[in-house]
Amino acid sequence: RKEVEQDPGPFNVPEGATVAFNCTYSNSASQSFFWYRQDCRKEPKLLMSVYSSGNEDGRFTAQLNRASQYISLLIRDSKLSDSATYLCVVNPMNFGNEKLTFGTGTRLTIIP
Amino acid sequence: NAGVTQTPKFQVLKTGQSMTLQCAQDMNHEYMSWYRQDPGMGLRLIHYSVGAGITDQGEVPNGYNVSRSTTEDFPLRLLSAAPSQTSVYFCASSRKRGPYSPLHFGNGTRLTVT
Repeated sequence: RKEVEQDPGPFNVPEGATVAFNCTYSNSASQSFFWYRQDCRKEPKLLMSVYSSGNEDGRFTAQLNRASQYISLLIRDSKLSDSATYLCVVNPMNFGNEKLTFGTGTRLTIIP
Repeated sequence: NAGVTQTPKFQVLKTGQSMTLQCAQDMNHEYMSWYRQDPGMGLRLIHYSVGAGITDQGEVPNGYNVSRSTTEDFPLRLLSAAPSQTSVYFCASSRKRGPYSPLHFGNGTRLTVT
C-alpha cells in the first residue's frame, strides 16, 4: 500500500457545486497533515493545514479521520479559480519536513 | 519580500553536461530542500538542509550535489546529466525544520536532458 494515496480524478464539477475528495495514509502514527494546491505548470502552494478537530477556511473545510486514516477536503460553492490539482501531504512520524510524503494529487476542473 | 526564487525557469542539457540550479530565499528560513516532480509520482525529495553548513540526502540523491554556505542560498548541482533527470525541480523552504512548519516553494525549473 502506498504511504499516501489520492484519487487522481479528474473531478469535473459545475461551478457552484460542492466537491469533496479524500486522501488515505498508511502510517497510523502520522501527526501532521496538509493540503496544497498546484495550478497547471506552477509550484505547489499551501492551502491549509489539517487539525485534529477539523478546520475551515472560507469555502474550504479539512477534516481528519484517524480511525480510518484519511483526510478530506471539502470545497463549497466552487469557483472557476478552484480548478487545480490538490496535493495531500502527510508527515508520517511527526519528524522534520524531510519526512513529508506527498500524494500524487487529485485534479479538479470547475466547469462554467 | 520575494519568497523563494529559482533560476533558470527552463533548461535543456545534453547527456553528460553539468549545471547548477539556483535557489534563494529571503525569509530567513532555517530549512531548505530540493524536490523533483515527475508525472504520476508525488514530489520526491532530493536533498535538504537544516541550516547553513548542514546538508543531507533525501529519497533520490544520486546524480545531484548540494551545498549551503549561507542561510539564503541552496544550489543544486547536476554532475553529469542523464535523460532520467528530465523533470520539474522545485526548491522549497520552511521557517523551521518541522513538523508543523509549512513549505514555501519556488516556481520551478523545467529541465530536459537529451
